[in-house]
Amino acid sequence: EAQVTQNPRYLITVTGKKLTVTCSQNMNHEYMSWYRQDPGLGLRQIYYSMNVEVTDKGDVPEGYKVSRKEKRNFPLILESPSPNQTSLYFCASSPPRGAAFFGQGTRLTVV
Amino acid sequence: KQEVTQIPAALSVPEGENLVLNCSFTDSAIYNLQWFRQDPGKGLTSLLLIQSSQREQTSGRLNASLDKSSGRSTLYIAASQPGDSATYLCAVLDNFNKFYFGSGTKLNVKP
Repeated sequence: EAQVTQNPRYLITVTGKKLTVTCSQNMNHEYMSWYRQDPGLGLRQIYYSMNVEVTDKGDVPEGYKVSRKEKRNFPLILESPSPNQTSLYFCASSPPRGAAFFGQGTRLTVV
Repeated sequence: KQEVTQIPAALSVPEGENLVLNCSFTDSAIYNLQWFRQDPGKGLTSLLLIQSSQREQTSGRLNASLDKSSGRSTLYIAASQPGDSATYLCAVLDNFNKFYFGSGTKLNVKP
């Protein structure tokens, strides 16, 4: 089954404790991206990757890092999480100029 | 910069009604437009994808149209059911493979 898998689905952490949210897709898509969704602000792009070893900032990249060492994986790293990074996070993948597929989301709470 | 607007922000209808959700975008240079459904706290499920060269797409009770020149798309839902209650998002893909999302229409279908 074609899918984008994120882990964990839910995470509560403390300020400053590094964390990684994993994202994996099985569709051999070149393009992957991370979004955060907040009430009243909609979906905002954090980082995206056009292919292996090619990543770039989206609209709200501050406080986040990503890497793309393999085509299927695109982890999101929060080196020092802060409460304003409490949000619902989505990973997505797509072929060039094609439909986007989304993961089920990761609800992150930073206390 | 591309801006995507969805009207109305919320809609409540009795079961069985036909309804139309609207999506407008400011830059007509798009590759495709995609409609998604999102249930509370869940991921985005793709409903329909319309390529820029197409005028409409249909899937079951759903029909999406695209008028690229005027920057508009509509999602028509026939014979609405309580199970259709969700937030519906539209997204356009630009020439740089970036998606721009509207803020969504929250639909409530009353039994």
